[in-house]
Amino acid sequence: DAGVTQSPTHLIKTRGQQVTLRCSPKSGHDTVSWYQQALGQGPQFIFQYYEEEERQRGNFPDRFSGHQFPNYSSELNVNALLLGDSALYLCASSLGLGEETQYFGPGTRLLVL
Amino acid sequence: QKEVEQNSGPLSVPEGAIASLNCTYSDRVSQSFFWYRQYSGKSPELIMSIYSNGDKEDGRFTAQLNKASQYVSLLIRDSQPSDSATYLCAVNRGSQGNLIFGKGTKLSVKP
Repeated sequence: DAGVTQSPTHLIKTRGQQVTLRCSPKSGHDTVSWYQQALGQGPQFIFQYYEEEERQRGNFPDRFSGHQFPNYSSELNVNALLLGDSALYLCASSLGLGEETQYFGPGTRLLVL
Repeated sequence: QKEVEQNSGPLSVPEGAIASLNCTYSDRVSQSFFWYRQYSGKSPELIMSIYSNGDKEDGRFTAQLNKASQYVSLLIRDSQPSDSATYLCAVNRGSQGNLIFGKGTKLSVKP
């Protein structure tokens, strides 16, 4: 049973650049949520995708955008990178919306210089 | 008041002891509750979910939920050094679908 996968594992960018992170959900799951985890903090919800639409969004600026593909995989795009965007970006998958348990991928560690 | 609060620790217990981790939440409409374990440099791994008041046991782990007191806890019996990690409490408000996390409690189990 394939778990949640993310790519790349690590990434280094400079301020002002753009980045795209990718996620494939756990087999049988159709919902993808993205979280940002700064050092020493709990994960913060960015947005959630279901049926190729953004269903919910956390308190993140429009520089953060995403997409979900027909095969349920998802991308997170961040434009105009800031130093403060350095964090671990986590993708979580679940089945449907609501209370379902979310399972996390290994994460992408982004460093902005 | 933060939505989900945990003591940051570190909580240090000797091997074989019971570790008790606590979490409070502010939103009474919260429906489901989760404990995740996160090793340093790794992603969160689900340990337990709990939806109803009372206790739920899974092996050495017991989750306890008290919705009236807006309190959820995790007990780890017979703690092992491999249990040393940060434990994240997360709350899902049901219709919203997103998880709200505490900052985590760092647990250290000493041999």
